[in-house]
Amino acid sequence: QSALTQPRSVSGSLGQSVTISCTGTSSDVGGYNYVSWYQQHPNTAPKLMIFDVSDRPSGVPDRFSGSKSGYTASLTISGLQAEDEADYYCCSYAGSYSHYVFGTGTKVTVL
Amino acid sequence: QVQLVQSGAELKEPGASVKVSCQASGHTFTFHFIHWVRQAPGQGLEYMATINPGGSFVGYAPKFQGRVTLTEDRSTKTIYMELSSLISEDTGVYYCALEIAATKKFNFWGQGTLVTVSS
Repeated sequence: QSALTQPRSVSGSLGQSVTISCTGTSSDVGGYNYVSWYQQHPNTAPKLMIFDVSDRPSGVPDRFSGSKSGYTASLTISGLQAEDEADYYCCSYAGSYSHYVFGTGTKVTVL
Repeated sequence: QVQLVQSGAELKEPGASVKVSCQASGHTFTFHFIHWVRQAPGQGLEYMATINPGGSFVGYAPKFQGRVTLTEDRSTKTIYMELSSLISEDTGVYYCALEIAATKKFNFWGQGTLVTVSS
């Protein structure tokens, strides 16, 4: 099972919006609505930001949103804040053989 | 308040095995899933394996099948991940993560355990 493909980095100014793509196959992103997104600051554990493609856990700001079309899922951060600067990983359920697959990770820089 | 507390850093020689623990508190141990995810230095997250504490399910990513073993101690709500035949590329931080009630997401994460493989 190959990792899902994400851009290595994206950047935006304070208050702007950025979108991170996550491309997989029919065996993972395209086959299930179980895409989640995780935020990871340096030297800390990942944190769940989006689940089931577009749902937010309680406590996650509504400037974080998710969507999916075909084999590509996306995470959009609207109204960028300084604390949003971090690495972001998508993850998809991939069935009973491979179980889960993560994306390659995207570094978000706030200019 | 759900918490996952992992064991401390390990230094192992190539060819050896390492056993990392993950102790859960603040939730019902059964009916959930514990996953293991690793991260090599400067690299991304990699899924390894899953166990359903108190249940019968254990699953391994194809890459780790035969080299990873998950076990549990129900009395202490502790999950153990053992990785054998270590090579230098196994160096990294190993995380346990809790999935609540088969919802296909990693709700809570442990603090991570650094495993260094070096002679």
